[in-house]
This record gives sequence, structure tokens and C-alpha cells, in this order.
Amino acid sequence: QKEVEQNSGPLSVPEGAIASLNCTYSDRVSQSFFWYRQYSGKSPELIMSIYSNGDKEDGRFTAQLNKASQYVSLLIRDSQPSDSATYLCAVKENYGGSQGNLIFGKGTKLSVKP
Amino acid sequence: DVKVTQSSRYLVKRTGEKVFLECVQDMDHENMFWYRQDPGLGLRLIYFSYDVKMKEKGDIPEGYSVSREKKERFSLILESASTNQTSMYLCASSLSILAGGLFGQYFGPGTRLTVL
Repeated sequence: QKEVEQNSGPLSVPEGAIASLNCTYSDRVSQSFFWYRQYSGKSPELIMSIYSNGDKEDGRFTAQLNKASQYVSLLIRDSQPSDSATYLCAVKENYGGSQGNLIFGKGTKLSVKP
Repeated sequence: DVKVTQSSRYLVKRTGEKVFLECVQDMDHENMFWYRQDPGLGLRLIYFSYDVKMKEKGDIPEGYSVSREKKERFSLILESASTNQTSMYLCASSLSILAGGLFGQYFGPGTRLTVL
């Protein structure tokens, strides 16, 4: 059973700090990884994607991928109260009839305190 | 921008009713998906489709069926609604796997269904 694991939180950080969200996955052949942000009562919104080892930066967000350790993380710099949401990690399935499907973690709830 | 729309934001139905949830995307995506999301259980895949008139079961297809007669439209049908189908239903779409690996899924706003 392929799995994506996230700490459910809540992760609480002060405004202006760096929030670090982590995700591990079980399928060694996974190639593509995604981070979604979901505000309470809303649908998930795609915010980052990464498929190469290393860092990918987009504004205040940095995705980090380490395939050897099967670990992907999301850093949010200068955290704002508006970043308070649940962050979902997703990994793309890589074989058979399920190609293109995503396996989602259950999400980490982030709370940024003013 | 990708736009995925769903027919209703909130829906209240009675046990035993047949329920139709519609999803439309305007980006010519080949793949479409239906999920349900429940507290503590995360997103669970109900059905997906890689092409018109094609459908595949996801992790929890029991009690549901789907229809994809046109590329942009994917419908979820609850044949006989039950109270345990009360949930948030989310539709998503994405490009084909043949278009490359770095394309995620884009979600509609969701339909919160309550079955009484």
C-alpha cells in the first residue's frame, strides 16, 4: 500500500517566522511531488510542484526534495496569518493504470499567530 | 487559469434519493477525478477518468457511479443516497500523463452534501 505521511499538527509559528512542513512517501519510484494549501471549508489549491532533488523556490515558498530519503518538505518564509491553513502533500503514482493519480497525505494544519 | 466548476456548493438530500453531482473544466484536460473528503480520513478517490466514456474505480467506488460523455464534463451519481455519504465532494482535473509528469490536479470548489 503506497503511503504519504504527514504530521497532522497543528503546527504553530509566530508571524514572520519560517514554517517547515514535512512529508515522507513509501513508493521509491515516485517522480513528481506537489503541495496543496487548503483553507477551512475550501478546496485544495496547488501551490508548488517539484520533481528534481534539491530546492525549488517560488516567492516565500520553497519546496525541498530528497528522493534517497523519500522526503519532501515545504518551507514558508516570513509566515503570515493568511498562511494559516492545512497543507497537503501529494505524490504522483508512477505505473500501471493509475498513472496520473495522486496519493495525498492527510495534511498538516498550520497556524500562524500574529 | 484552470477553472473547474461544480454544480452546487451545498446540497441536502434524503436517504434513498438519486443524486447527481456535475463537474465541468474549461482547460481541455484529459483526466478528471472525483474525491470525497472527511475529517480524519483525508481525500479518498472515488472514480477517475482518462478519456471520454472511460472510467476507472478508485479506492471507494461502492455506492457511486460516474459518467463522462464529453471531455469537459464528469458526473458523479449516488444511486441511492445514504447518510454515510454525507461528505465534501471534490472534483479535479489534470493533463494527461503523456503531457509530462509535473502537472498536478486542479480542484473545483467542492459540494458539501448532506443526506438526511
